[in-house]
Amino acid sequence: AQTVTQSQPEMSVQEAETVTLSCTYDTSESNYYLFWYKQPPSRQMILVIRQEAYKQQNATENRFSVNFQKAAKSFSLKISDSQLGDTAMYFCAFTFYIQGGSEKLVFGKGTKLTVNP
Amino acid sequence: NAGVTQTPKFQVLKTGQSMTLQCAQDMNHNSMYWYRQDPGMGLRLIYYSASEGTTDKGEVPNGYNVSRLNKREFSLRLESAAPSQTSVYFCASTRRSSYNSPLHFGNGTRLTVT
Repeated sequence: AQTVTQSQPEMSVQEAETVTLSCTYDTSESNYYLFWYKQPPSRQMILVIRQEAYKQQNATENRFSVNFQKAAKSFSLKISDSQLGDTAMYFCAFTFYIQGGSEKLVFGKGTKLTVNP
Repeated sequence: NAGVTQTPKFQVLKTGQSMTLQCAQDMNHNSMYWYRQDPGMGLRLIYYSASEGTTDKGEVPNGYNVSRLNKREFSLRLESAAPSQTSVYFCASTRRSSYNSPLHFGNGTRLTVT
C-alpha cells in the first residue's frame, strides 16, 4: 500500500526562525515524485516544492528546502526565515503511475503550522 | 487563464437530496480528480479520470458517481446525500505526459449535509 505519514499534527514557530516538518512514506514503486503542498486559510492548495525520487540533490525553492532520504523514505520540509504568511496546513504527497497511464497522488494527513509574531 | 474552476463554493443539503458538483479546467489537462478533505484525514481520492471517456474509483467512492463530460469537465454527483458526506471537495487536474507535473486544484466546495 502507498501511504504517507506526517507525524506532527500541529507545529508553531516564531517569525524569522526555521522550522522543519517531517514526512515519511511507504511505497513499492521505484520511481516517483514527492511534493509539499500548502493550504492557507483561503483553502486554496498551493504547490510549495517537488522532488524527483531519482535525484539525490535536495530541491530548494527560495526559503523552502527539503531533506530527501530515499533509503529511509523520508521527505522533510524546512522553512527558513518563517513569515506570517507561511501559516497554513502543509501536506506531503507523492505521485506514481497507475493503470491507464494516469498519476495518482497520495496525501498525508497534514501538519498545521502557525507562525507567531 | 482560470485554471480549475469548481461550482458551487458552498452548498447545504438535507439528507437524501441529490446534487452535482461541477469542475472545469482550461489547461488542456488529460487527467482529472475528485478529492474530499476532512479534518485530520488529509485529502482522499474519490474518483479519477485518466483521460476523456474513462473514470475509475479512488479510495472512498461509495455514495458518489462521476462523469467525464469532455476533456474540460469532470462532475461529481451525490445521488442521496448523507451526513457522512459533509466535507470539502476538491477537483484537480494534471498533464498526463509527465508524472512530475503537479496537480492543479480548484478552490474547493464546502458541502454540509444536515
